Amino acid sequence: KAGVTQTPRYLIKTRGQQVTLSCSPISGHRSVSWYQQTPGQGLQFLFEYFSETQRNKGNFPGRFSGRQFSNSRSEMNVSTLELGDSALYLCASSQSLGRGNYGYTFGSGTRLTVV
Amino acid sequence: GQQLNQSPQSMFIQEGEDVSMNCTSSSIFNTWLWYKQDPGEGPVLLIALYKAGELTSNGRLTAQFGITRKDSFLNISASIPSDVGIYFCAGRYDFGNEKLTFGTGTRLTIIP
Repeated sequence: KAGVTQTPRYLIKTRGQQVTLSCSPISGHRSVSWYQQTPGQGLQFLFEYFSETQRNKGNFPGRFSGRQFSNSRSEMNVSTLELGDSALYLCASSQSLGRGNYGYTFGSGTRLTVV
Repeated sequence: GQQLNQSPQSMFIQEGEDVSMNCTSSSIFNTWLWYKQDPGEGPVLLIALYKAGELTSNGRLTAQFGITRKDSFLNISASIPSDVGIYFCAGRYDFGNEKLTFGTGTRLTIIP
């Protein structure tokens, strides 16, 4: 079964631009979460989507937004990029089944560099 | 943003040695997860713990969910070169709430 696919793997953008990252979850997984990973702050939760609705949101400014489509694929968008947005952006998909085994699987990430 | 306290921050060991690391939180979690991350890749789930006091093994890895629900431990026995990487703990508060809070990471290096 295919894993979580994130595209693109690498991106270089200029300050002030906007960027859109894509995540295709594991087939059958309806929850998609996004994380930002930086050396200084570690892994920080951005937001989670379930059935096309944002269910949880982390403490990031409004420049960070996302959406989920009916096929569970998700995109996140960062507008007006700042140098501090340079990071590895990770997407994870899961089956929200409550207790018991569930798959919470990360993709390989998109490395965003803002110059 | 919030991060869990994970220690040690780094470890330098010889092949064959056992490794222990732990994670503590000021708040309780209902799920504890342990991940390993290799350079340039996303974290890979090693062990998931769902019940306070639970002890779970995955090959040479053993993890425990602390009784207070505020801590967790990971042990690796007889380390091998492919164990090199960064290990993260993560806590999830509520079922149906997929937000994970991650630890600060433990970087494991094996000295030849």
